[in-house]
Amino acid sequence: DVVMTQSPLSLLVTPGEPASISCRSSQNLLHTNGYTYLDWYLQKPGQSPQLLIYFGSNRASGVPDRFSGSGSGTDFTLKISRVEAEDVGVYYCMQALHTPAFGQGTRLEIK
Amino acid sequence: EVQLVESGGGLVQPGGSLRLSCAASGFTFYTYAMSWVRQAPGKGLEWVSSFSGSDANTFYTDSVKGRFTISRDTSKNTLYLQMSSLRAEDTAVYYCVKGYSGSYYGAYFDYWGQGTLVTVSS
Repeated sequence: DVVMTQSPLSLLVTPGEPASISCRSSQNLLHTNGYTYLDWYLQKPGQSPQLLIYFGSNRASGVPDRFSGSGSGTDFTLKISRVEAEDVGVYYCMQALHTPAFGQGTRLEIK
Repeated sequence: EVQLVESGGGLVQPGGSLRLSCAASGFTFYTYAMSWVRQAPGKGLEWVSSFSGSDANTFYTDSVKGRFTISRDTSKNTLYLQMSSLRAEDTAVYYCVKGYSGSYYGAYFDYWGQGTLVTVSS
């Protein structure tokens, strides 16, 4: 089974400052169709998870452009250029190239 | 507008059974992969099962194989999860999720329901 490892597990960020979350997969996530099957989700407090980034670097509809995804193969990064109060919650990476698996989650809090 | 509305959660004793339902609307239900993802209290997300839209194949995480059955009724645009031999460790919020595509797990999960809580306890 594919194991997804996120770091750090928690972030305390000042509004307006950047934030970065790393996600590492135990297997390559590049599909033969050329797409990388790595996604990012945000679960805000008391809410269902929502899609942020799909295929490694594509922002989902309505996601602000301060969010960006990058990486390839087994190493990926989610970056928030300037954190806002509404960004608090738990961020998960997930792969669905193989049997779907989520990372442990990274909790982002505001200073 | 895509909507996924789960129902059927509740309190059940260990060894008991429960059937979850997910009423889907706003998209052509039978063409997309649909899945169940759960979240134990205070824990992270765990994929449970998927139903492939393209070929009706089903997939399960190892811990529920032989105990859970995913199915769909295309006439009702509804996804089901029949759960039996329930254990305390199955206690979680169960989310119904829509895949982006019809094959396998759907590539990624673009819409999530609000979730339904299943509590397994005596």
